[in-house]
Parts: sequence; C-alpha cells; structure tokens
Amino acid sequence: ETGVTQTPRHLVMGMTNKKSLKCEQHLGHNAMYWYKQSAKKPLELMFVYNFKEQTENNSVPSRFSPECPNSSHLFLHLHTLQPEDSALYLCASSQFSAGETQYFGPGTRLLVL
Amino acid sequence: AQKVTQAQTEISVVEKEDVTLDCVYETRDTTYYLFWYKQPPSGELVFLIRRNSFDEQNEISGRYSWNFQKSTSSFNFTITASQVVDSAVYFCALSERNNDMRFGAGTRLTVKP
Repeated sequence: ETGVTQTPRHLVMGMTNKKSLKCEQHLGHNAMYWYKQSAKKPLELMFVYNFKEQTENNSVPSRFSPECPNSSHLFLHLHTLQPEDSALYLCASSQFSAGETQYFGPGTRLLVL
Repeated sequence: AQKVTQAQTEISVVEKEDVTLDCVYETRDTTYYLFWYKQPPSGELVFLIRRNSFDEQNEISGRYSWNFQKSTSSFNFTITASQVVDSAVYFCALSERNNDMRFGAGTRLTVKP
C-alpha cells in the first residue's frame, strides 16, 4: 500500500450505532488530520495530530472521538450520530503540521439514517 | 486570520478551451504557503502545487500553469487545452507559518466533449 488509505470507503449506520473510521499513512509523516466535507460546504478541519498529540480540536461534538495510537494510524470513533453528520470524511497526513503539503486518502462516505 | 476566496462556484467549458480558476487570499503573515488541489468524482483530494510566499515565479507543469501575484493576493490556476478528464472540483488553500491549512469553497469545473 502506498500513500494514505482509509477504511471503510462507504458506511451506513443508524443513529444508535457505534462505528470507527480508520486511516493509515505509509509516507513516514508526523502529522495527521480529519476533515469533514458536507455537500455544498467547504472542507472543515476537525482534528489535528502532531507526533501523536492532538493539537487541534475544531469545536467538534463529542460524538466524534479521535484516536492516534502512533504516527501512522488515525481513527475516528463515531457514536450516536445525527443525520446531519452524513458527509465525506477525509484523512490527510503531512511531514509536519503548519505549512506542509497534506496528502489525502480517498475518504469514507458516511450515511447516517 | 487567514481566508481563501474562490469566487467562481462553477465553470463549464468545451474541450480544448483554456480556463482560469481564480483564488484570492487574505493573510497578515509574511510567511505563508499556497496550494491547489483537485478533487475528482472519486472524492480523493489530489495535490497539484505548493508555493511559498517568497517565490513569486509562475510555474508551468504540462497543461497546468499558476500565476502568483502578491500585489493582488491572488494565486490563479490556468488549464490550457482542457480535457474531459480535467472535470473536477478544484480547491485553493492557504497555510500560514503557524496555522493549519484553510481551504476555499472550491470551483467545480465541467469540461464538455
């Protein structure tokens, strides 16, 4: 595998379910990001991890819980989501944080029923 | 605060036409970085270019060219002899030295055969 991978690519879940999104980067980077992309809205930065430490939480509701066990893996744990949380969730990584090029995964398209 | 404006929401051209996508940015920092990304229908953001604020040289890569002008705070992207495969949403982004990347709203380009 090369670049940034995300699983699953598609996810349908009910509002009471718990699920997790996984991101893995094979680029040797030190920073990882979660973004949310809703229809007709700009990309929204959700979380930033730099050297496994969370450095940014953009006022994201607590029903989204990130986890970064090491510099190569990033998870987004989801529980009791709302239909408005349906979106494309993109993971990205960069060598360091601010100013660096971010490389994106293919995204997980989430539908909350 | 950093801000990126892509005033063109949608552009439609016929194959082989040239097209320019506009990007205007705001920043108080003297050191910053500008980016362009392409998002095809598959969803993944593909990195196209990164420029730093001290390098105003225009860049050409095949059919793609970028015009960076600090005097007008613009970083425009031109596709020469457009092709159907260029159809995508294109995002301009800005990253200040100590801040995370801020994306514009994107421009949807449709190239018709």
